[in-house]
Amino acid sequence: EAQVTQNPRYLITVTGKKLTVTCSQNMNHEYMSWYRQDPGLGLRQIYYSMNVEVTDKGDVPEGYKVSRKEKRNFPLILESPSPNQTSLYFCASSLGMADTQYFGPGTRLTVL
Amino acid sequence: QKEVEQNSGPLSVPEGAIASLNCTYSDRGSQSFFWYRQYSGKSPELIMFIYSNGDKEDGRFTAQLNKASQYVSLLIRDSQPSDSATYLCAVNFRAGNQFYFGTGTSLTVIP
Repeated sequence: EAQVTQNPRYLITVTGKKLTVTCSQNMNHEYMSWYRQDPGLGLRQIYYSMNVEVTDKGDVPEGYKVSRKEKRNFPLILESPSPNQTSLYFCASSLGMADTQYFGPGTRLTVL
Repeated sequence: QKEVEQNSGPLSVPEGAIASLNCTYSDRGSQSFFWYRQYSGKSPELIMFIYSNGDKEDGRFTAQLNKASQYVSLLIRDSQPSDSATYLCAVNFRAGNQFYFGTGTSLTVIP
């Protein structure tokens, strides 16, 4: 089944404790991205990747890191999480930059 | 400033009616336009995409694109209670490789 998977689905952590949210797709898509969704602000792009080893900042990259060492995986790293990073996070992938994006199930992160 | 704007609603329509959702965008050179549906607590799922000016129909859904006026709309015919959700407009701006989403319009279909 074609899908985008994310783990974990729910995470409660404390300020400053490094964490990684994994994202994997099995559709051989080149374009992958991370979004956060907050009430009243909609979906905002954090980082995106055009292909392996090619990543770039979206609109809200501060406090986040990403890497794309393999085509299928695009982890999101929070080196020192803060409470303002409490949000619902979605990973998405698409065949190319201008194509339909397919979303993972989401990760609800709470930083205390 | 790249922007995608939607009326947040809520929009309420009776079952069987036509629901009309609108979206405007700031970049005249934008190429790809998408409508996603999102149920509460779930991930967005694609309803339709449109690249060219005019109408595109898929079942009960019709997307309309007017690049000169910089708006894209979604019509839902014969609305059903299961259509109650938030509808997100997304645009791929020409200048850059990013996607921009509107904040979404909440639709309620009343039985």
